[in-house]
Amino acid sequence: GAGVSQSPSNKVTEKGKDVELRCDPISGHTALYWYRQSLGQGLEFLIYFQGNSAPDKSGLPSDRFSAERTGGSVSTLTIQRTQQEDSAVYLCASSLNPLATNEKLFFGSGTQLSVL
Amino acid sequence: AQSVAQPEDQVNVAEGNPLTVKCTYSVSGNPYLFWYVQYPNRGLQFLLKYITGDNLVKGSYGFEAEFNKSQTSFHLKKPSALVSDSALYFCAVNGNNRLAFGKGNQVVVIP
Repeated sequence: GAGVSQSPSNKVTEKGKDVELRCDPISGHTALYWYRQSLGQGLEFLIYFQGNSAPDKSGLPSDRFSAERTGGSVSTLTIQRTQQEDSAVYLCASSLNPLATNEKLFFGSGTQLSVL
Repeated sequence: AQSVAQPEDQVNVAEGNPLTVKCTYSVSGNPYLFWYVQYPNRGLQFLLKYITGDNLVKGSYGFEAEFNKSQTSFHLKKPSALVSDSALYFCAVNGNNRLAFGKGNQVVVIP
């Protein structure tokens, strides 16, 4: 696609429900990242996928958070039993090559998650 | 761990005046530094990066940044700010195959 696409753009859910956030990276990009943006907190790294390698999950805040990337393309971030502190903008980004080569990241517009 | 700090929450500047957004870094080894901008309701966009070479890096939309090793800084600058430059600016450093971002600076350009 022309850019990184995320859906939905907005999601309102009730505390305790599960949510799935989708990211469609730029075609051909091997690296995919999820970040969380909270008001006044900057961007928090969540998880990193690179090709067929095992993902770097070191940024996931709890075991309620998980992500997968199927076929090296689309990624889904799942939050189980949502809590109010999960409310944030979830940003997906992709790059052509790993960041070790100092590639720039291309970001999607994000999913605004609100947990009531 | 690699990290950056953006000491100011908000920067207000009059249109036409010089704009500076501050960033300091803490890294082990050579720093790879980036600036990204986020316009309202949009994703982050790449502005510029410093990898090696000239300390003054030029980027998109007339922005530039100066790498200063002795002060461990990578301040973003624009000689003459536009109202359309009003946005959230993030400094970032590359480490462990990820970008570590600062908390961001809200820039408000006053007409």
